[in-house]
This record gives sequence, C-alpha cells and structure tokens, in this order.
Amino acid sequence: DAGVIQSPRHEVTEMGQEVTLRCKPISGHNSLFWYRQTMMRGLELLIYFNNNVPIDDSGMPEDRFSAKMPNASFSTLKIQPSEPRDSAVYFCASSFTGLTTDTQYFGPGTRLTVL
Amino acid sequence: DQQVKQNSPSLSVQEGRISILNCDYTNSMFDYFLWYKKYPAEGPTFLISISSIKDKNEDGRFTVFLNKSAKHLSLHIVPSQPGDSAVYFCAASAMGGNNDMRFGAGTRLTVKP
Repeated sequence: DAGVIQSPRHEVTEMGQEVTLRCKPISGHNSLFWYRQTMMRGLELLIYFNNNVPIDDSGMPEDRFSAKMPNASFSTLKIQPSEPRDSAVYFCASSFTGLTTDTQYFGPGTRLTVL
Repeated sequence: DQQVKQNSPSLSVQEGRISILNCDYTNSMFDYFLWYKKYPAEGPTFLISISSIKDKNEDGRFTVFLNKSAKHLSLHIVPSQPGDSAVYFCAASAMGGNNDMRFGAGTRLTVKP
C-alpha cells in the first residue's frame, strides 16, 4: 500500500495567487481529513469528509479556503487568494471508518510558502 | 483556543534513560487520547492511544498514563533510543461526537547517544 499521497510536496507562490493542494487517500478508507501545521498552533483540523461528503468544515480559517472530494480517491484543498500567513505544512490523512477511535494515516504533507 | 496543550516545546534525554512527555487538556468531553510521532519531512504516525476508562496503556517501551481529574496525560518511553528522536504530538477527541481530533503543538524529543 502506497499510503496517503500528497502533491506537491513543496509549493512556493506569491501572495494573491491560487494554490491547489492534492491528496489521494489510502484505498478503501472512507474518511479524509485536511490539517494545517504551524509552529504556534501545532496541527489544526481544517475539514473532514466521510464517504466524500464534507462533515465538518468549522476549522477552515476563512472563505479563501475551500476543499472538495469529487470521488473516494481524490481530494483538493484550494486557497484563493493566498496570503503570507497561509504559509504552513498542510497534511492530508485518511481513516477506514472515520470513527474517533480509528487510526488516521497521514500523508507526508505539502510545505506551502506564500511570499 | 488551545484545548490540548504541550507546554514543553523540546526535551533532551540520554540514551537508555526515561523520556516523559506531558500533555494537558481543557475540554472535559474528551475521552480518547492519542500520541503521534513525527519525523522530519514525514507525516505524523500513530504511536499509542488510551480511552478514559483506563488510566494506563502500555505497548513495549511506550506507556501512556491518563489522569482524568487533572486533565493530564503523559507518554513514557523506557529505555529511550536515538531513533525515538522526533516530534511527539498529543491528541484528544470525544468518542461520541464528531471526528474532531485536537492536537497539541508538539514536543521535540532528542535522545543523545
């Protein structure tokens, strides 16, 4: 199993540009999570999907952020327009059932730098 | 608001000694707790968990202790090995609620040979 796949691994962009982060969850997993890691706040849950449906997006910081999961094997997190304060590492994770006690498997992350 | 706090950003111990990583939480609804380990350039990986019906869970060199009255948990690593050097995240969630797992900011453990 390849694990959770994220692309790109690194992204450098200029303020105001659109950024799209991609994630392929582990095959057979029904839940997908997007997290953001910063030095000050650690890992923050942005949004999670269950069976491709967004369940809780209360962690999405503002309207500039949007996430989609068009099918069970692909999800995107989009930032438009990007700002320097969005610079962080963004992780995608998936789990089999989405139950709280179910282990979440994380991808390697995308390091985003907004200049 | 930081519902899960790891107040020590870093910890350094000698190989063979015990490493103790601490975590505090504020939300009394949390009843399931986890520790994740993260190496550079990799995503966090699950290490060990504990539910609120227990006060201790052990897995090899790793033991997690939960003190519900103090809203405190700790991870003990005995004996510590250089390969344990990583960032350790504490996480908490409420089993009956949405899958909203809250993470601490992490503690960077360095085990010196």
